[in-house]
Amino acid sequence: AQSVAQPEDQVKVAEGNPLTVKCTYSVSGNPYLFWYVQYPNRGLQFLLKYITGDNLVKGSYGFEAEFNKSQTSFHLKKPSALVSDSALYFCAVRSTSGTYKYIFGTGTRLKVLA
Amino acid sequence: SAVISQKPSRDICQRGTSLTIQCQVDSQVTMMFWYRQQPGQSLTLIATANQGSEATYESGFVIDKFPISRPNLTFSTLTVSNMSPEDSSIYLCSAREGSYEQYFGPGTRLTVT
Repeated sequence: AQSVAQPEDQVKVAEGNPLTVKCTYSVSGNPYLFWYVQYPNRGLQFLLKYITGDNLVKGSYGFEAEFNKSQTSFHLKKPSALVSDSALYFCAVRSTSGTYKYIFGTGTRLKVLA
Repeated sequence: SAVISQKPSRDICQRGTSLTIQCQVDSQVTMMFWYRQQPGQSLTLIATANQGSEATYESGFVIDKFPISRPNLTFSTLTVSNMSPEDSSIYLCSAREGSYEQYFGPGTRLTVT
């Protein structure tokens, strides 16, 4: 079965420290992977994607993600967290069959402490 | 990137009634989707809205309860029919061109009393 796992419901980090939000996936074939962020009372905003190429992908707002095929992971990272990064983060993978729908993880709430 | 708007942004409805949510994309897109989300939780795909044909529903969702229209490549509607309090949720419209990133509308917050 194709799936995405975000093992942490919540991540807390101090402002200025590096942050990591974890994501692992399970799909057959080559994965298309995505990260989205959701602020309160807003829709999801696209951050970055991995389709092919360099394993380190850079995205919006200083975020980046590292694709690791052997560990089937796609962790989101930022070198220096801001209080304004506090939000709900979703990892997603595109299904490799049927309607190629996107499968979303359960979300990780990031809290950056001042 | 596509910009997506939804109407209404929120509504409070009585049980047994129906609500139609509109989704407008600022450019033509191949695929449109409707999701449901409880606040602070993950997204559940309701259906893929197909232009010119019937929507493709996910397991647990049926056309009689959630009829969907997609008359062209920029517009879709989702109707929540015969509502009950269990239908209270945030409904999100999403669009994708090709195989890459999807874009989301701001959501419609529905409360059924």
